[in-house]
Amino acid sequence: AQSVTQLDSQVPVFEEAPVELRCNYSSSVSVYLFWYVQYPNQGLQLLLKYLSGSTLVESINGFEAEFNKSQTSFHLRKPSVHISDTAEYFCAVTAPGAGGTSYGKLTFGQGTILTVHP
Amino acid sequence: DGGITQSPKYLFRKEGQNVTLSCEQNLNHDAMYWYRQDPGQGLRLIYYSQIVNDFQKGDIAEGYSVSREKKESFPLTVTSAQKNPTAFYLCASSLTRTTDTQYFGPGTRLTVL
Repeated sequence: AQSVTQLDSQVPVFEEAPVELRCNYSSSVSVYLFWYVQYPNQGLQLLLKYLSGSTLVESINGFEAEFNKSQTSFHLRKPSVHISDTAEYFCAVTAPGAGGTSYGKLTFGQGTILTVHP
Repeated sequence: DGGITQSPKYLFRKEGQNVTLSCEQNLNHDAMYWYRQDPGQGLRLIYYSQIVNDFQKGDIAEGYSVSREKKESFPLTVTSAQKNPTAFYLCASSLTRTTDTQYFGPGTRLTVL
């Protein structure tokens, strides 16, 4: 089974400052990793994903995440945040190669609330 | 536009009543999912369906039921057996059950009075 730990439940930052949201995972098999963003009272939107290939993945709005297999991490970063980035961010993992009862289960972390202050 | 719709956005129910949450997708996805979201707990999987007329329990299926009679529809019934039903419910779909990205609907907030 897989598990995900988001190390910070809340991250307050000032506008234009850099930010890192931390995510660690546990799995005995290879994984795919995702970051989703949720604005208040809305569903989740995919921000970026790592399936294979380059370990550095980027989103269209300036976020990036790096898959680090040795540290089992997939931290999300942005060099300069905006007020509009205020939201809750979820890290998630799935293990496509897992056998048995695997069904592509997506396991989520507990979420990190990013608050950007002016 | 393709996407996932959930209705209603807000739902209130009295204790002891069953209630059904709607989820429809026009993405032609095979797999559909229901999650429950509570503050500070992330998302937990209730039920999932890989194909029409087939569904399996997730991690917290007790007190819930589903059906998958059509590819585009996956309604969730919250029964009176669910002891703490007040939560935000999210429906998702993916092209197949395995590796594909899951896409989420806007959610339904259920409050039990």
